[in-house]
Amino acid sequence: KAGVTQTPRYLIKTRGQQVTLSCSPISGHRSVSWYQQTPGQGLQFLFEYFSETQRNKGNFPGRFSGRQFSNSRSEMNVSTLELGDSALYLCASRSGGSGATDTQYFGPGTRLTVL
Amino acid sequence: AQSVTQLGSHVSVSEGALVLLRCNYSSSVPPYLFWYVQYPNQGLQLLLKYTSAATLVKGINGFEAEFKKSETSFHLTKPSAHMSDAAEYFCAVSGNTGTASKLTFGTGTRLQVTL
Repeated sequence: KAGVTQTPRYLIKTRGQQVTLSCSPISGHRSVSWYQQTPGQGLQFLFEYFSETQRNKGNFPGRFSGRQFSNSRSEMNVSTLELGDSALYLCASRSGGSGATDTQYFGPGTRLTVL
Repeated sequence: AQSVTQLGSHVSVSEGALVLLRCNYSSSVPPYLFWYVQYPNQGLQLLLKYTSAATLVKGINGFEAEFKKSETSFHLTKPSAHMSDAAEYFCAVSGNTGTASKLTFGTGTRLQVTL
C-alpha cells in the first residue's frame, strides 16, 4: 500500500501571499489530520477532517483552513502568510475507526519558508 | 487537558548501550500513548502504541515501552543502541474522544549514538 503523500515537498513564499498544500491519504483511510512543526513550538495539531467534515480543530487563527474531498484527499490553505508560518506541515491519515486508538500514519511533510 | 513531558531534549549513548528515553503523561481519562521517530527531512514513523491491552508494548526496530500508571510514565527503551537509531523521538497522547483523534506531542528527544 502506498503511504501518505504530500505535495509540494518544498515551498517558498513571501509575506502576504497565500499557499495551498495537498495531502493524499493511504488508500481506504477516511481521516486526514494536519500538524505544524516548528523549532519553537514543536508539533501542534491544526485540524482533522473525516468524511469531508472538519471534526476537530486546534488553536490556530482563521488564516489556516482546510478541506477534504470525496476521495479523502485533503488540502490546507494559509492566507496572508506571516514569517512565523515558516514550518514543516505534516499530514497524517488513519482509517477513521476508533478515534483515539487509531494509528496515524504521517507523510513526509511540506517545508514552507516565508520570506 | 492531556499532555506529555519528555525529560531530556538530547540524549547521547554509545553504540551497543541501553537506550532510555523518558516520557511522563498527564491525563484525566485513560490515555492512549504513542512513540514516533523522525529522521532528518522525513515525517513521523510509529514505533509503538499503548492502547490498554498490555502494559509492556513491543515495537519496531527492537524498541519497547512500559506503561506505568502509578508513575504516569511511558518510557521508551532499547537494549542495544545502533548507529541507525540516531533520530528525534516524540512521545504523544491521544484522548478518548469518540471517533475524533488528536495527538498531543511532547517536545521531542534527540538521540545521538556514538562509536
